Amino acid sequence: QSALTQPASVSGSPGQSITISCTGTSSDVGGYNYVSWYQQHPGKAPKLMIYEVSNRPSGVPDRFSGSKSGNTASLTISGLQAEDEADYYCSSYTSSSTPFVFGTGTKVTVL
Amino acid sequence: QVQVVQSGAEVKKPGASVKVSCRASGYTFTSYDINWLRQATGQGLEWMGWMNPNSGNTGYAQKFQGRVTMTRNTSISTAYIELSSLTSEDTAVYYCARGQGATNRNDHWGQGTLVTVSS
Repeated sequence: QSALTQPASVSGSPGQSITISCTGTSSDVGGYNYVSWYQQHPGKAPKLMIYEVSNRPSGVPDRFSGSKSGNTASLTISGLQAEDEADYYCSSYTSSSTPFVFGTGTKVTVL
Repeated sequence: QVQVVQSGAEVKKPGASVKVSCRASGYTFTSYDINWLRQATGQGLEWMGWMNPNSGNTGYAQKFQGRVTMTRNTSISTAYIELSSLTSEDTAVYYCARGQGATNRNDHWGQGTLVTVSS
């Protein structure tokens, strides 16, 4: 099972919007609405930001939104803030013998 | 509030086994799955397997089949992962997370346990 493809880095200025893509196949991202996004600050455990493509857990700011089109899922951060600087990972349920796969990770830099 | 607390760092020699614990509190332990994941330094996240604490049923990533065992003790709301035949490539931070089946919704994570494999 190959990892989902994410851009290595994305950057933006405070207040701007950025979008992180997550490309898979019809066996994972395209086939199921079980795409999650995690934020990870250095030395910390990942934090769930989006589940089931577009749902936000309680406590996650509405600046974070998720969507999916075909085999590509996206995480958009609107009104970028300094504390959003972190690594972001997507994850999807898959039809393979290993049911969950993660993306390669994207480092978000706030300029 | 929901809390997930893992055991401390471990240093093991190649060929040895390691067992990491994950104690849950603030919710009914048997109502949610426990997923185990790991992350090598500077690398991405890797899903290792899941366990249903109610039934004890498990599912392991193909990569770890035959080398990993997930168990639990419901009386103390604690899950365990044991990984055997360690090599240097198993050096990583190991995480447990509360999950909900196929939804891929890991909403509460442990703080991580660093396992170092070195001769």
